[in-house]
Amino acid sequence: QKEVEQDPGPLSVPEGAIVSLNCTYSNSAFQYFMWYRQYSRKGPELLMYTYSSGNKEDGRFTAQVDKSSKYISLFIRDSQPSDSATYLCAMRGLNTGTASKLTFGTGTRLQVTL
Amino acid sequence: DTGVSQDPRHKITKRGQNVTFRCDPISEHNRLYWYRQTLGQGPEFLTYFQNEAQLEKSRLLSDRFSAERPKGSFSTLEIQRTEQGDSAMYLCASSSDSSNQPQHFGDGTRLSIL
Repeated sequence: QKEVEQDPGPLSVPEGAIVSLNCTYSNSAFQYFMWYRQYSRKGPELLMYTYSSGNKEDGRFTAQVDKSSKYISLFIRDSQPSDSATYLCAMRGLNTGTASKLTFGTGTRLQVTL
Repeated sequence: DTGVSQDPRHKITKRGQNVTFRCDPISEHNRLYWYRQTLGQGPEFLTYFQNEAQLEKSRLLSDRFSAERPKGSFSTLEIQRTEQGDSAMYLCASSSDSSNQPQHFGDGTRLSIL
């Protein structure tokens, strides 16, 4: 079983919809949680970066972390065709030594249609 | 801040040849990471430098792989005697040494083995 599980999709939604993307994890040492967006043939681009449990909002994006359930979510409001991409969740432990490396989910491919 | 730069963007080579990739991190970032990403998967950690010191290597990094960061600035990743299974996107990321800063990725080098 992988440390981080993420549904690969694809997920297809109409423009303007609210999108919910999720990951579950098994390693209780993870403390920092990230969402990256990756367009085809490009590198991952950081969207959201959160520490421990709670919510964080940035424009149309909201990240939620529930450490008790080992479950993280990314919500995208008023989705746009330009949001069509692969969304990767990533996480790591405290910023010391080997805990610096990121562990990623497989990514969810999102398609926002007109 | 010009972002993480990787060169070349795409490398095609025959099985058995040696290849070398270069990564220039964001200036003043003293942490540098290499990841590998195959189709439909999230990036997987390969190795990590703090300044010129290589502090961690994944078991994915076989003896054919070597990474250097001689002056604590740019880094190179060399693969000797390439195999079909080495075909992947090789991603570089960097972060500052300030506590708990996120990693920022380059657009990767896509390696194709004929």
